[in-house]
Amino acid sequence: GDSVTQMEGPVTLSEEAFLTINCTYTATGYPSLFWYVQYPGEGLQLLLKATKADDKGSNKGFEATYRKETTSFHLEKGSVQVSDSAVYFCALNTGYSSASKIIFGSGTRLSIRP
Amino acid sequence: DTAVSQTPKYLVTQMGNDKSIKCEQNLGHDTMYWYKQDSKKFLKIMFSYNNKELIINETVPNRFSPKSPDKAHLNLHINSLELGDSAVYFCASISTGTGGQEQYFGPGTRLTVT
Repeated sequence: GDSVTQMEGPVTLSEEAFLTINCTYTATGYPSLFWYVQYPGEGLQLLLKATKADDKGSNKGFEATYRKETTSFHLEKGSVQVSDSAVYFCALNTGYSSASKIIFGSGTRLSIRP
Repeated sequence: DTAVSQTPKYLVTQMGNDKSIKCEQNLGHDTMYWYKQDSKKFLKIMFSYNNKELIINETVPNRFSPKSPDKAHLNLHINSLELGDSAVYFCASISTGTGGQEQYFGPGTRLTVT
């Protein structure tokens, strides 16, 4: 079945460091890919998305490129801030019907030190 | 305007009690979901409804009963609460049929069973 695997956390970095959170997926169709972010005490918010191969999603300095050949959607940011501390979820959606569901990775907790 | 709202935000109750959580979305979406997030942040889909019709029913104890009075509302009733039901419950909604669309999440309901 469809699945998402993302790097385990927690990840701790210093402010202004470079961030990569790895995500790979398994899907039978042509999924859309997402990164969601969950700040402490809040619900999940969409961070960025890509709907087809080679698309790059970007938002708030974060980027991820849909790589079909490696079935990956790694999240990157060039210079992290303390305010980026959160849990990040990689996810995919293979469906277009009402029976479709978004499959989430296990989440990666990111902590940024000042 | 809040897109997806849930009530209550916090719920503390004793084992054996019955409780309900309510969810409303004002996005005009046709499909709504309930997720359970455990203490390790793992998200597990429980149910989905499309236009008041149950679509997805994952392996969830039958003490959990969703109800959708209309496509903008999805409530979750839990009978005979157990300690293991303690978690954060998230409601989400999506507009299906358009492809590549993300789910919008509510702020969550933190349920604590003592």
